Amino acid sequence: DTEVTQTPKHLVMGMTNKKSLKCEQHMGHRAMYWYKQKAKKPPELMFVYSYEKLSINESVPSRFSPECPNSSLLNLHLHALQPEDSALYLCASSLTSGRGYEQYFGPGTRLTVT
Amino acid sequence: TQLLEQSPQFLSIQEGENLTVYCNSSSVFSSLQWYRQEPGEGPVLLVTVVTGGEVKKLKRLTFQFGDARKDSSLHITAAQPGDTGLYLCAGARADSWGKLQFGAGTQVVVTP
Repeated sequence: DTEVTQTPKHLVMGMTNKKSLKCEQHMGHRAMYWYKQKAKKPPELMFVYSYEKLSINESVPSRFSPECPNSSLLNLHLHALQPEDSALYLCASSLTSGRGYEQYFGPGTRLTVT
Repeated sequence: TQLLEQSPQFLSIQEGENLTVYCNSSSVFSSLQWYRQEPGEGPVLLVTVVTGGEVKKLKRLTFQFGDARKDSSLHITAAQPGDTGLYLCAGARADSWGKLQFGAGTQVVVTP
């Protein structure tokens, strides 16, 4: 089973709202990732968690706050977003964050900020 | 700067034709992955290549990793409408620790 699940599938939020995106995997993977993807562009890495610790933050604005409660779950907390933050948010996981380990992506959350 | 140059950007072909997508870099990668993505969905992993010169086949899809591990190609034989999608190559460098370098993607459209 190579499934990564994400909820919700779609999210519309105003600029003053607080919402969270959720990601779950049960493959025993110890690395989890958040990506942002704009239309017709490749995914852009936002955060990497390795063994439940944040190991990479790609200079993401503080209005995005990641959280890894346990080895199977990854959250992305959203607050005071801007319309330009509208995008497909993808979660991925891999066995570890070491080199060569393939990443498996979830179906994504389509976020619209109004 | 795009570390992985993917070409072409767009490919429109008829069902039954063959196509090739290229992924080139001046950097050496420890592994390279190919994904296919449909609109509104996440990328689906097709294959991972790790050894220079490696060739992998997945039904009508053939993947090749260059001898120097700097480039890769995806060849589809007798394309079908179900092959339509955005094809992404993504490379992992030895010092990357979880960071994949993505190509810009190739949008493939196969019409019946």
